[in-house]
Amino acid sequence: GQNIDQPTEMTATEGAIVQINCTYQTSGFNGLFWYQQHAGEAPTFLSYNVLDGLEEKGRFSSFLSRSKGYSYLLLKELQMKDSASYLCAVSSAYSGAGSYQLTFGKGTKLSVIP
Amino acid sequence: SAVISQKPSRDICQRGTSLTIQCQVDSQVTMMFWYRQQPGQSLTLIATANQGSEATYESGFVIDKFPISRPNLTFSTLTVSNMSPEDSSIYLCSVAGTSTDTQYFGPGTRLTVL
Repeated sequence: GQNIDQPTEMTATEGAIVQINCTYQTSGFNGLFWYQQHAGEAPTFLSYNVLDGLEEKGRFSSFLSRSKGYSYLLLKELQMKDSASYLCAVSSAYSGAGSYQLTFGKGTKLSVIP
Repeated sequence: SAVISQKPSRDICQRGTSLTIQCQVDSQVTMMFWYRQQPGQSLTLIATANQGSEATYESGFVIDKFPISRPNLTFSTLTVSNMSPEDSSIYLCSVAGTSTDTQYFGPGTRLTVL
């Protein structure tokens, strides 16, 4: 099965940088996604990593190390609107049936304070 | 990304009744999924809605409780049958081009069962 761990909560200051870590154990790894979810809203796609290294997209960057089963989401120049839950999700082979499923971590609730 | 709508956006239902949730996409998509997000929890995959064949259910979810239809490549329904208060949750549909692609989520249906 899959096991995905990420911190439950984090607090950071407006304008600062925050790193949200995610560790996973899975078989048939096919990529790692990060989603942002504001309270009461649906998750929105942030990033996708399938190869090792850093993917940068504006203020958000995501890193993956497949050998370590580790990823992080880096948020720079934090804004109040970045207060949300950040979900790490792993795509992995599904029961050997040739398709893939997305398994979500429990999410990290980030609070940005003035 | 596709534009996804869900109906209803929210509902309050009585124990023992059933509710059908609709998911409509503005373009043809290969993959459609149904998730549940219980209060304070992350997303759990209920099933993959297959066009023209029976849905593929995850462990712990059965067709009698969560019947799913997918008559074409832009539409799917999820029925929550014989509801109990434990079914109170947000139900989300998601879509992807293939099973390995990024999934995009609908706005969700917030269900409360009394």
